[in-house]
Amino acid sequence: AQSVSQHNHHVILSEAASLELGCNYSYGGTVNLFWYVQYPGQHLQLLLKYFSGDPLVKGIKGFEAEFIKSKFSFNLRKPSVQWSDTAEYFCAVSYNNNDMRFGAGTRLTVKP
Amino acid sequence: DGGITQSPKYLFRKEGQNVTLSCEQNLNHDAMYWYRQDPGQGLRLIYYSQIVNDFQKGDIAEGYSVSREKKESFPLTVTSAQKNPTAFYLCASSTFSGRANEQFFGPGTRLTVL
Repeated sequence: AQSVSQHNHHVILSEAASLELGCNYSYGGTVNLFWYVQYPGQHLQLLLKYFSGDPLVKGIKGFEAEFIKSKFSFNLRKPSVQWSDTAEYFCAVSYNNNDMRFGAGTRLTVKP
Repeated sequence: DGGITQSPKYLFRKEGQNVTLSCEQNLNHDAMYWYRQDPGQGLRLIYYSQIVNDFQKGDIAEGYSVSREKKESFPLTVTSAQKNPTAFYLCASSTFSGRANEQFFGPGTRLTVL
C-alpha cells in the first residue's frame, strides 16, 4: 500500500529558529501533495499544496515546501518560527482522486 | 458562513452500544470523508462518498457504517463490532473534479467508550 512517512514525531524549537519537517512518500507515479496544520483546539486546515508547476510552493503564514520528485519528498520549511506556530503538522499525499494518505504527524513546540 | 459541522463535540458510549456521529456541510461539496485520528498514527480513512447514495470503504471500515441520503450530510455509525472505538473522528469534504482536491475538515468528535 502507498504510504507517507514523517520523520520527526516531536520537534522543539526556540522562537526565531528555522524549521524543516520531513515528508517522504512511497508512490512513484503522479501525486498531489499537501501540508495541513492542526493548531490546539482548532480544525485541521490547509497550509499549502502542490499539484504541478514550480516545485517550490509558498503557503500561508510564511511556510513553504519543496517537491523533490527524485527523492519522493515534500519537506516543509519556515525560516523563523514563532510561538504561534506551535501545532501538529500533517503531510498528505493523494495518489488518485480519493486516495489521500496522511503521515503520522509531527508535533511542533516553539518555546518563547 | 460556509463550513463543516460535527456533533457532538464529545461523546461517551457504553460497550455494546451503537452510536451515530453527525457531519453536515454547506459548502456544496460532492465528496465527503470520515477519518479516525489516533495519537502517533495520523488520519486513517474509514469511509468516503463521492455522490449521494454511494459510498466506499476506506482502510479501516470494519465496525463502522455510513449513509449518504443527502448531499450535505454524511453520518457515521460506530457499531458494537468496532473493537477499539475510542478515538477522535474527523469529517471532511471536497469538490470532486476528477483529481484530488483540498479537503476541508470539521472540528471533530471525540468518542470515548466507557
